[in-house]
Amino acid sequence: AQKITQTQPGMFVQEKEAVTLDCTYDTSDPSYGLFWYKQPSSGEMIFLIYQGSYDQQNATEGRYSLNFQKARKSANLVISASQLGDSAMYFCAMTLGHGNNRLAFGKGNQVVVIP
Amino acid sequence: EAQVTQNPRYLITVTGKKLTVTCSQNMNHEYMSWYRQDPGLGLRQIYYSMNVEATDKGDVPEGYKVSRKEKRNFPLILESPSPNQTSLYFCASSLLVNTEAFFGQGTRLTVV
Repeated sequence: AQKITQTQPGMFVQEKEAVTLDCTYDTSDPSYGLFWYKQPSSGEMIFLIYQGSYDQQNATEGRYSLNFQKARKSANLVISASQLGDSAMYFCAMTLGHGNNRLAFGKGNQVVVIP
Repeated sequence: EAQVTQNPRYLITVTGKKLTVTCSQNMNHEYMSWYRQDPGLGLRQIYYSMNVEATDKGDVPEGYKVSRKEKRNFPLILESPSPNQTSLYFCASSLLVNTEAFFGQGTRLTVV
């Protein structure tokens, strides 16, 4: 069963605008972690942001913020002031399994920033 | 420089010929894992390791083996590769499972 769902089709975003990438997840564990990673066309995987399920505040890292809505099981990534270098595939991921030792990724969202 | 090193970067092999993809990290991380990335499927975890001599199956372990004899190394072994194992493979390490993961550069494997 799919644990992490990213269903948006590819997105075009105007430079300097904000973009929100949707991620919903499914778990019955009260304790889990949520991540976002970026994969540019060069192929490397880059960590962006982390949110723990017990964290009271939404995580922020520079231009990245995670809109965590626990009751809705939603962990959307917001990128503010998009830059051309933000063009990439973005993956949501979460810890799961016994002891939360496994990591599951969504299928990704493609973002293209246009000048 | 903190890094995860995978080798080789590219590999073409024939069905049934055993191969090993190496992965090494220099950050003294406890958690290491292997993923395969296929178009439209995102990354799927193959195996993970919580520490030396502690490995466990991820979502797609069939056809793969791993070992963790030393903390820094986590090789992925394909005993008898098949064409459906053609994929892009990533090794990653992190201090713990719920901390930032550092990924290797990826290994593009083609099995013919």
